[in-house]
Order: sequence, then C-alpha cells, then structure tokens
Amino acid sequence: SQTIHQWPATLVQPVGSPLSLECTVEGTSNPNLYWYRQAAGRGLQLLFYSVGIGQISSEVPQNLSASRPQDRQFILSSKKLLLSDSGFYLCAWRGWAGAYNSPLHFGNGTRLTVT
Amino acid sequence: ILNVEQSPQSLHVQEGDSTNFTCSFPSSNFYALHWYRWETAKSPEALFVMTLNGDEKKKGRISATLNTKEGYSYLYIKGSQPEDSATYLCAFSRLTGGGNKLTFGTGTQLKVEL
Repeated sequence: SQTIHQWPATLVQPVGSPLSLECTVEGTSNPNLYWYRQAAGRGLQLLFYSVGIGQISSEVPQNLSASRPQDRQFILSSKKLLLSDSGFYLCAWRGWAGAYNSPLHFGNGTRLTVT
Repeated sequence: ILNVEQSPQSLHVQEGDSTNFTCSFPSSNFYALHWYRWETAKSPEALFVMTLNGDEKKKGRISATLNTKEGYSYLYIKGSQPEDSATYLCAFSRLTGGGNKLTFGTGTQLKVEL
C-alpha cells in the first residue's frame, strides 16, 4: 500500500533562518506531488506541484522554493524565513498525471512557527 | 466565479439534523471536483472525486452532486452525528494543464452538537 511521510512534525525557526521540509512517498511510481499551506484562519493554499522529477510549478510568488530530486521525494525550502511563512504545511500525492479521478493523499503536516 | 467558494463558512447543527453545503467553482474548462473532510489534529481525507456533469456520489450518510454547467457542487450529510464534526473542503481542477493543479476553497466548518 502507499504511504506518505512528511517531517518534521513541528518546527520553530527564527526569522532569516533557512528551511527544509521533506516529503517522501512509498508504494507508487510517478506520483503528482503537492505542497499546500494553511495560514492562520485561512484555507489551503497551493504553493507548488510537480508532475515529474525536476518539474515544478509555482503558484504563489514568495520566498519559498521546491525541488523534486527523485521520483518520490519533494522538498520545500527557503533561504531566509519571514514571519509570514508561519503556518501548517501539508505535502500530498495523487496518481500519475492523467489519473483524473485520483484523490489527494496528505501527509501529517508540519507546523512551522517563525519567531 | 474566478476561484473556488464555499458556503456557509461555518455551521452548527444538532445531532440527527440533515445538512448541506455548497461549493461554487468556475464552470469553464472544468476537469474535476474533489470533496475532503478535515478533522482536527488529522490530515484531510478524500470523500469524493467527481468529473461528470450530473454525477452523484454516496458514502454512507454523505452524498454529493455536481453541476459543471452552472459551476456548483452540493455535499449532503443525512442524520448528522458528532463524529461528522470537521471542516469540509472542496477542490477544483481545470482541463488546462491536465487537471493537475488542485485549488481549494476555504471550507465549511461543521459542528454537530448532542
């Protein structure tokens, strides 16, 4: 069966520090991968998605970046965190591009607090 | 409609009540409409994925309908129970880009009281 791992679960970082959140998927090949963020009192905002290795679509201009160095690995990074980067970050996967009726499967999320 | 909109924002019902929420989305270039349930301290879980106009899906006491021509979907819960308390999210994707970009609404927060 397929599983998704996301870490760390919680993170407290000072403003200006770097960030690296990692997400890996097991049990499937060539998944679509997603990073979402929920800021306080708001809905799920799509940050990045990827349909294959090295293919990243960025949805919101920000100081975050994403990379997909391997088929089932998705990394969210920042060189210098801002206070506004605080929030709950969710990684998700779904079936290969073209599996139009495949739902999203979410990781357990990372609670990031920038101080 | 340019984005995904959900209403109401929150809802309090009594145990046993039936309820429904609305998800509105752009009707042009439609690809798929998803519904998710997000319970506190858990990750969102998929309820339904609907792709065809007129689709109706059912899972236990929860059902959903889809109208792609007018750009809305309804989620119904029959005989609400306290364990139904959660935030219900819909997400929409367009044909452009192969339907890979999934945009969420802000959700409807349901609280079922005894």
